Amino acid sequence: DAGVTQSPTHLIKTRGQQVTLRCSPISGHKSVSWYQQVLGQGPQFIFQYYEKEERGRGNFPDRFSARQFPNYSSELNVNALLLGDSALYLCSWAADMNTEAFFGQGTRLTVV
Amino acid sequence: AQSVTQLGSHVSVSEGALVLLRCNYSSSVPPYLFWYVQYPNQGLQLLLKYTSAATLVKGINGFEAEFKKSETSFHLTKPSAHMSDAAEYFCAVTSGGYQKVTFGTGTKLQVIP
Repeated sequence: DAGVTQSPTHLIKTRGQQVTLRCSPISGHKSVSWYQQVLGQGPQFIFQYYEKEERGRGNFPDRFSARQFPNYSSELNVNALLLGDSALYLCSWAADMNTEAFFGQGTRLTVV
Repeated sequence: AQSVTQLGSHVSVSEGALVLLRCNYSSSVPPYLFWYVQYPNQGLQLLLKYTSAATLVKGINGFEAEFKKSETSFHLTKPSAHMSDAAEYFCAVTSGGYQKVTFGTGTKLQVIP
């Protein structure tokens, strides 16, 4: 995982609540991507940010949003949580758009 | 648009036997192809990648994969399975680059002693 840090590691939220997940960069890495991995499925691409600008968005509703800060760390926000949002949320970092990405261990979100 | 299909959600092999995990891809442009491994409660680790250079790609832990354009396949193999290989394996594709990866549904590998 080359030092990718995600917080928190586990989280339990109630339907309708909002959640913020955080991902800290590997030093010098400026491209971050977020993925949702529902139990029993492969990860699905949510967002990509590079140099603090959104560079890609997957097929997710507007309840999902993200941002990248000047220090290149990133947050993923999900509003009005649904039971179906329960998943492992992964972030990955790359030095730029064309180099290998390294994944964090993820944040396990459970919505009850 | 790109996609990958992994054949077999569960594969069981005996320790020391050949590991073969199947992946077929679909891409409208020359793809980058990847195999990732995921151990329980962990993130994804890149095993190997194809980026339009050599068609036979060697990765970590003794794994390799061959890109076959005519068959649109990128199957993962290992000559001799170890107990430590038990994990979930994901085939993935991009339309170039390492971002916006499209993953398959995964294959869980069980290694029987």
